Amino acid sequence: ETGVTQTPRHLVMGMTNKKSLKCEQHLGHNAMYWYKQSAKKPLELMFVYNFKEQTENNSVPSRFSPECPNSSHLFLHLHTLQPEDSALYLCASSHPGGLDTEAFFGQGTRLTVV
Amino acid sequence: AQKITQTQPGMFVQEKEAVTLDCTYDTSDQSYGLFWYKQPSSGEMIFLIYQGSYDEQNATEGRYSLNFQKARKSANLVISASQLGDSAMYFCAMREGRDQAGTALIFGKGTTLSVSS
Repeated sequence: ETGVTQTPRHLVMGMTNKKSLKCEQHLGHNAMYWYKQSAKKPLELMFVYNFKEQTENNSVPSRFSPECPNSSHLFLHLHTLQPEDSALYLCASSHPGGLDTEAFFGQGTRLTVV
Repeated sequence: AQKITQTQPGMFVQEKEAVTLDCTYDTSDQSYGLFWYKQPSSGEMIFLIYQGSYDEQNATEGRYSLNFQKARKSANLVISASQLGDSAMYFCAMREGRDQAGTALIFGKGTTLSVSS
């Protein structure tokens, strides 16, 4: 248990559906991240939020829409996804600043787009 | 160009033996941090060990140690006395010093470690 909770753990959705992934942390961190993990590829950074402000968008398609209403919660809204978007989506949080600041990860949401 | 390179897709080791997982990195920053994470089949990423670019000594955490060779830009993870529970994916990651406000970790492709009895 790292203190970062992701829901749901598993999600199957059709290409025309709209769904949201949720991430929650109560570690007092002010930086939160979304990563995508596909088979045989490195973890891909998607979005970075610092103090609720988006500071990095790694050329992610607009069918992925992040939201950070406060420092403890991070959402990833999904709509009109493609089968190639099937992956493990990992949320992480950390204290902002400091090279030695480790990131704490949730257990991920396993997404399957059909 | 890849920032983090892990050339071993899979490694096999017997219980109680030591194993080295390779990692090389690419950065033009003088300040950076290197991390290793373990990912069991459950999916969660577990932090193992950290090495700063200015640290003169190799980092150690229990059975984990980091063989840091700055000139070669390598940061290999050494696991001593392997246990069956060490079977997992292992990721090397880097945080560069260009922007300290919540700079994200950049990960390699990972190495799958299988420990047999």
